[in-house]
Amino acid sequence: AQSVTQPDIHITVSEGASLELRCNYSYGATPYLFWYVQSPGQGLQLLLKYFSGDTLVQGIKGFEAEFKRSQSSFNLRKPSVHWSDAAEYFCAVGDGNQFYFGTGTSLTVIP
Amino acid sequence: NAGVTQTPKFRVLKTGQSMTLLCAQDMNHEYMYWYRQDPGMGLRLIHYSVGEGTTAKGEVPDGYNVSRLKKQNFLLGLESAAPSQTSVYFCASRTGVWTEAFFGQGTRLTVV
Repeated sequence: AQSVTQPDIHITVSEGASLELRCNYSYGATPYLFWYVQSPGQGLQLLLKYFSGDTLVQGIKGFEAEFKRSQSSFNLRKPSVHWSDAAEYFCAVGDGNQFYFGTGTSLTVIP
Repeated sequence: NAGVTQTPKFRVLKTGQSMTLLCAQDMNHEYMYWYRQDPGMGLRLIHYSVGEGTTAKGEVPDGYNVSRLKKQNFLLGLESAAPSQTSVYFCASRTGVWTEAFFGQGTRLTVV
C-alpha cells in the first residue's frame, strides 16, 4: 500500500524566516504528489501539485516544492513566512483512484 | 461558484442513532470521496466513487455506507452511530486520476 510520511508534527518559525516542511512517500511508480493547506475550521486548499516534468514546482502564496525521486521526497518550501501562513499542511499522493494523505504538519508563526 | 458543498456543517448524535451526510458538487466531477479527519491521524479515506452508481471501500469503511445515485451527489450514512465516529468529515471531488481534489468545508460530527 502507498503511504505518505510527514515526520514533523509541529513546526514553529519566526515571521520572515524560511520554511521547509518534509514529506516522504512510498510508491512504486511515478507518483502524483500534492500539498494542501488547511486553515482552522476550513476545508483543504491546494497549494501545488506535481505530475511530471520539472521537479521544482511553484504554487500559490509563494510556496514551492521539489520532487526528489532518489529520496522519495516532496518537501514544501517558502523563503519568507508570513503570519497568515500559520495552518495545517498536508502532503498527499495520488494512487490511481485513491488519494493518500500524510498526518499533517502544524505550523505556528511567531512575530 | 459553489464547488463542493457539505450538509450539515455540525451535528450531534446519540449513540445508536442514524444519519446521512450529503455532499454535492457542481463541477461535473466523476470521482468523489469521503474522508474523516482525527487529531494526529490526518485524513483517512472512508469510501469513494469513480462515477455515478459506483462505490468502493477506502481505508476505514466499517460502520459507514455510501451511495452515488446521481453524479453530483455522494451520500455518507451512519446506520448506528458510535462515539468512535466522532470526527470531522470531509468530502472531495475531482475530474479524474490525474487531477487534484477539491474539498468541502467539512462536517463536524459528535456522537455522545
